[in-house]
Amino acid sequence: EAGVVQSPRYKIIEKKQPVAFWCNPISGHNTLYWYLQNLGQGPELLIRYENEEAVDDSQLPKDRFSAERLKGVDSTLKIQPAELGDSAVYLCASSLEGGFIGNEQFFGPGTRLTVL
Amino acid sequence: QKEVEQNSGPLSVPEGAIASLNCTYSDRVSQSFFWYRQYSGKSPELIMSIYSNGDKEDGRFTAQLNKASQYVSLLIRDSQPSDSATYLCASKAAGNKLTFGGGTRVLVKP
Repeated sequence: EAGVVQSPRYKIIEKKQPVAFWCNPISGHNTLYWYLQNLGQGPELLIRYENEEAVDDSQLPKDRFSAERLKGVDSTLKIQPAELGDSAVYLCASSLEGGFIGNEQFFGPGTRLTVL
Repeated sequence: QKEVEQNSGPLSVPEGAIASLNCTYSDRVSQSFFWYRQYSGKSPELIMSIYSNGDKEDGRFTAQLNKASQYVSLLIRDSQPSDSATYLCASKAAGNKLTFGGGTRVLVKP
């Protein structure tokens, strides 16, 4: 079974430029998460989708960040414009139905973003 | 105060010894708890989950949960150099939001 797929793995951009990250979850997983992980810290949730619906986006900085999951499968996270402080690893994870407390979240390899 | 607290380490243990990692959480409604291992430059992978008070053993790993004290721990027996990684503690309340601690870095020395 293929795991969570993310691309690109690495991205270097100038500040004020836009950037987009793509995630394809494990087949059959209807819950998808985007996390941000700064160096030396644990992942922090940005947004959670149940199928196409964003059910928790309270931590997403909506002035510059946006996300979509149009068909309830793969998802895109966008930053426009990027700032120096956005340099981090962006992790995508997926799980079976999110409401069950035992459902494990599987993480993708992440996208390491460097903003210059 | 962070919702999930861990000592950042590094926790240095000799090969073959027991590594003991601790985690405290502040949200009393948290129902389930997870330990993830993260190698440098890699993504987190789940190694243990625990939902009830007491101990849960899986191979060389034992998770312990005390909801009254809001405390979770992970023991790694017979530590190996391959156990050198950062261990992330996470809690989950209803609604499926995982809240992670900052992680404890473990170094197992041969």
